[in-house]
Amino acid sequence: DAGVIQSPRHEVTEMGQEVTLRCKPISGHDYLFWYRQTMMRGLELLIYFNNNVPIDDSGMPEDRFSAKMPNASFSTLKIQPSEPRDSAVYFCASSLVGQRDGYTFGSGTRLTVV
Amino acid sequence: GEDVEQSLFLSVREGDSSVINCTYTDSSSTYLYWYKQEPGAGLQLLTYIFSNMDMKQDQRLTVLLNKKDKHLSLRIADTQTGDSAIYFCAETYAGNMLTFGGGTRLMVKP
Repeated sequence: DAGVIQSPRHEVTEMGQEVTLRCKPISGHDYLFWYRQTMMRGLELLIYFNNNVPIDDSGMPEDRFSAKMPNASFSTLKIQPSEPRDSAVYFCASSLVGQRDGYTFGSGTRLTVV
Repeated sequence: GEDVEQSLFLSVREGDSSVINCTYTDSSSTYLYWYKQEPGAGLQLLTYIFSNMDMKQDQRLTVLLNKKDKHLSLRIADTQTGDSAIYFCAETYAGNMLTFGGGTRLMVKP
């Protein structure tokens, strides 16, 4: 398996623009997580899905953030409109219940909002 | 999930041993994990320990678990410059959910 695939790797956008981050989890995994990492706040869980259903979105900072998982092999995290304080590295991770290997993380998307 | 705490920073000389410490709060955690994050990369699983064990060794890595004190440590023997990274510990809750600590940045000086 190629692991968790995220795209794009880097995104630079202007304030006010819509940003869409993409994630392909490991095939067969039934949990998908979106995290945000900044120097100030560390690693924050934004939202997670189980079998494509959002379970807990309490970490989503504002209504400007939304996430979808239309099928088992694809998820998006959208920010509309984007703001400079959204600049961070966004990670997607997936896991399989009962598997002791924990989470598998993607390489992340570095978002810069100017 | 509960809080997982780690010191922010550790600096060692190449060839020395590194010990990274972590305290967790959920006594029902079944597994405890160590992840490594290299610059510009995602978190990668380094090792894990089952909660009924008190030690696990894997080449240069030794994990020690003290369940009574809810203390987990990662020892890296013969630390190399390639070990410079951020190390995260994590505890399990609600089955397979993980709570991560804030990460310890390990700097290895030549």
